[in-house]
Amino acid sequence: IVLTQSPGTLSLSPGERATLSCRASQTINSNYLVWYQQKPGQAPRLLIYGASTRAAGLPDRFTGSGSETDFTLTISRLEPEDFAVYYCLHYDNPWTFGQGTKVEIK
Amino acid sequence: QVQLVESGGGVVQPGASLRLSCVASGFTFNTYGMHWVRQAPGRGLEWVAGVSNDGIKKYYADSVGGRFTTSRDNYRETLYLQMNGLRAEDTATYYCARTRWLDDYRFYDYWGQGTLVTVSS
Repeated sequence: IVLTQSPGTLSLSPGERATLSCRASQTINSNYLVWYQQKPGQAPRLLIYGASTRAAGLPDRFTGSGSETDFTLTISRLEPEDFAVYYCLHYDNPWTFGQGTKVEIK
Repeated sequence: QVQLVESGGGVVQPGASLRLSCVASGFTFNTYGMHWVRQAPGRGLEWVAGVSNDGIKKYYADSVGGRFTTSRDNYRETLYLQMNGLRAEDTATYYCARTRWLDDYRFYDYWGQGTLVTVSS
């Protein structure tokens, strides 16, 4: 299974809405679709698991949705700390990450 | 609190071997599967290997199969990655990650800070 994330880079301003896509090459179990955030020099941080369940303490401006082959991470109003790279992961053998979407400040 | 601390990275020549360690603390190590994920400089995340909580089931990416071996010592609460026949393309930061099975969900919930492996002549 290949996960394709789009766009590669998203240039937005604080306060704007970000919509990140993760498309699977075949239908996957949405229970195994996970989103991570990574900032430079840091390990990935769990955001969303099961396609739509927020990790503990995650602000509700982050929303995951989707099923089968199409999944979306939406950040309703970008805060300065949200500018980072976002990865989706299909948690199943072989475990597969998308190539990432960079959300940068416009 | 959960902590994962990797070590063992460094600069090695092509063809060399290296063993990475990941020391766990703050949780019952022998009840969690553990995986290795790497990230080449400026690139994305790539799954490398995984091992079940009891050390019996092991999984490898095609890119490292036959060269890398993962194992664990539940007494010492340590995960290992033995890397043989290193290649330039193995240059990356290597992270260990804890697997979490929550109801029907599966994900990595905690990651170490990573250890850098550089393969260069």
